[in-house]
Amino acid sequence: NAGVTQTPKFRVLKTGQSMTLLCAQDMNHEYMYWYRQDPGMGLRLIHYSVGEGTTAKGEVPDGYNVSRLKKQNFLLGLESAAPSQTSVYFCASRQGGGPYEQYFGPGTRLTVT
Amino acid sequence: AQKITQTQPGMFVQEKEAVTLDCTYDTSDQSYGLFWYKQPSSGEMIFLIYQGSYDEQNATEGRYSLNFQKARKSANLVISASQLGDSAMYFCAMRAGSARQLTFGSGTQLTVLP
Repeated sequence: NAGVTQTPKFRVLKTGQSMTLLCAQDMNHEYMYWYRQDPGMGLRLIHYSVGEGTTAKGEVPDGYNVSRLKKQNFLLGLESAAPSQTSVYFCASRQGGGPYEQYFGPGTRLTVT
Repeated sequence: AQKITQTQPGMFVQEKEAVTLDCTYDTSDQSYGLFWYKQPSSGEMIFLIYQGSYDEQNATEGRYSLNFQKARKSANLVISASQLGDSAMYFCAMRAGSARQLTFGSGTQLTVLP
């Protein structure tokens, strides 16, 4: 039981490049989330999904796209990376009903130069 | 809209002493939940404790307890008998009403001194 895993752990991009971050969970959770964490700030929600095939915008969705084609996977895409997207990205998941505890992945540290 | 405020950017505590980390929240919903997460220097987010708005008893989990004062809209984390391994960033978070996501505070960096 691996819980929530994220790929890759580190990545350096040049401005304008694209990439996809993969989140996978093996707990059969309905809900999945993508957050970003910037220095001195708490986690901010980018996008989330309440089930396979559904996605919704969070607090800071601009510049990102997501897809949830399979229940266990949640992909975060950056089509044209910008230095402002340098951050640590966390994926989380939780079951549909209560309790509402979210289980987090280890994070991906992304640097855009 | 929901808001979480953590007013202590940094805290120091002596090993074996107790420490309280402050958290205040704002929501107009009657049903909500409050969470505390720990983030050590390694970066992972570790769930510590949960309190529901209708829970009459304060939540406890081992050395962690949540001092829930509904009228004051506060949900402070109390860590008893601090250990060096408690040094980390601590985040308070809230889920309110039908919201499916958590709103996080800015965190408190706790340092336990030997």
